[in-house]
Amino acid sequence: QQPVQSPQAVILREGEDAVINCSSSKALYSVHWYRQKHGEAPVFLMILLKGGEQKGHEKISASFNEKKQQSSLYLTASQLSYSGTYFCGTEIGSGGSNYKLTFGKGTLLTVNP
Amino acid sequence: GAGVSQSPRYKVAKRGQDVALRCDPISGHVSLFWYQQALGQGPEFLTYFQNEAQLDKSGLPSDRFFAERPEGSVSTLKIQRTQQEDSAVYLCASSLFHSEQFFGPGTRLTVL
Repeated sequence: QQPVQSPQAVILREGEDAVINCSSSKALYSVHWYRQKHGEAPVFLMILLKGGEQKGHEKISASFNEKKQQSSLYLTASQLSYSGTYFCGTEIGSGGSNYKLTFGKGTLLTVNP
Repeated sequence: GAGVSQSPRYKVAKRGQDVALRCDPISGHVSLFWYQQALGQGPEFLTYFQNEAQLDKSGLPSDRFFAERPEGSVSTLKIQRTQQEDSAVYLCASSLFHSEQFFGPGTRLTVL
């Protein structure tokens, strides 16, 4: 039931792009993306609801493929501040209850100068 | 505005001791969640409150774990007779109904 994230880790140079994937074996209602820096709280990035929408702001965007139960997070022109561990949290089912998120194991993103 | 706060930030307990972890959610947030995060892992759901009602406690690992939110704001997670496997970061999150969850900084519990 835990979503699978890939890759487990990625190293970038500043300005490069990255894609982080999240897939589930269960039908999903929503996917939540968070970034967590070492020793800090996870910080909310965005929610995607079923319907295959794509969201984004500035250089971080995400998509949700309802049929494949997959979501992808796109980071373009990465900045040093993007470094951290990215988690997807999935909400299964057909209706929105907004609780009981199941998180993946995370993707460690390191951006070097 | 103020975010979610948790106290203490760090707690060291001897095996067998009881501990209480506090969460102050964002004012007005209806929903409150507790998660357990082991080193190198994602947060794992423990329990969920809507106002003062505990609607889901399916993630609590054993009957040694107990959570309450008596007035629908501050919540306490209590762990009785702590064991070494309870060592983890305990995260609290709050949200308005049907919206994103905002996390607190967590309490790092170490059981010796």
